[in-house]
Amino acid sequence: SQTIHQWPATLVQPVGSPLSLECTVEGTSNPNLYWYRQAAGRGLQLLFYSVGIGQISSEVPQNLSASRPQDRQFILSSKKLLLSDSGFYLCAWWDTDRDTQYFGPGTRLTVL
Amino acid sequence: QKEVEQNSGPLSVPEGAIASLNCTYSDRGSQSFFWYRQYSGKSPELIMFIYSNGDKEDGRFTAQLNKASQYVSLLIRDSQPSDSATYLCAVRGSGTASKLTFGTGTRLQVTL
Repeated sequence: SQTIHQWPATLVQPVGSPLSLECTVEGTSNPNLYWYRQAAGRGLQLLFYSVGIGQISSEVPQNLSASRPQDRQFILSSKKLLLSDSGFYLCAWWDTDRDTQYFGPGTRLTVL
Repeated sequence: QKEVEQNSGPLSVPEGAIASLNCTYSDRGSQSFFWYRQYSGKSPELIMFIYSNGDKEDGRFTAQLNKASQYVSLLIRDSQPSDSATYLCAVRGSGTASKLTFGTGTRLQVTL
């Protein structure tokens, strides 16, 4: 069966510091992968999606970037965090067999 | 801008009653429709998806789709306190990419 992992689970970072969040998927190959952010009391905002290694599409201009160095690995990065980057970051993958999307456990980021 | 709209609630129903959650969408070419449940502090989990007009039942949950009215709903029968959560409606649009647009969610409270 397929499993999606995210780490770290929680993170507290100062403004201006760098960020690296990692997502990996097991049990499937070449999945579509997604990064979402959910700010406190807000809806899910799609940040990036990827259909394959090295292929990244950005949905919202911001100071974040994403990379997909391996088939089942998706990384969200920032060189300098802003207060507005605080939120719940969710990685998701598309199950083509069921034509549905599943989420990882998420990373809660607080920028102080 | 493709939109998915939900009443934010809270929707309060007594234990054992039927909870009715509603969602409208703007993209008339939308292909498939999803309901996710999100407990506070947790990631969304898929409850149901529906592609065709009509009803789809899974246990205590029924999804209803009316493409002509661009309306999708989720009925929860015999509501339990454990159903108290935020319910997210998501729509897969008419494009080729497997991307979902999410509503901001309806908070459901099941009272004893």
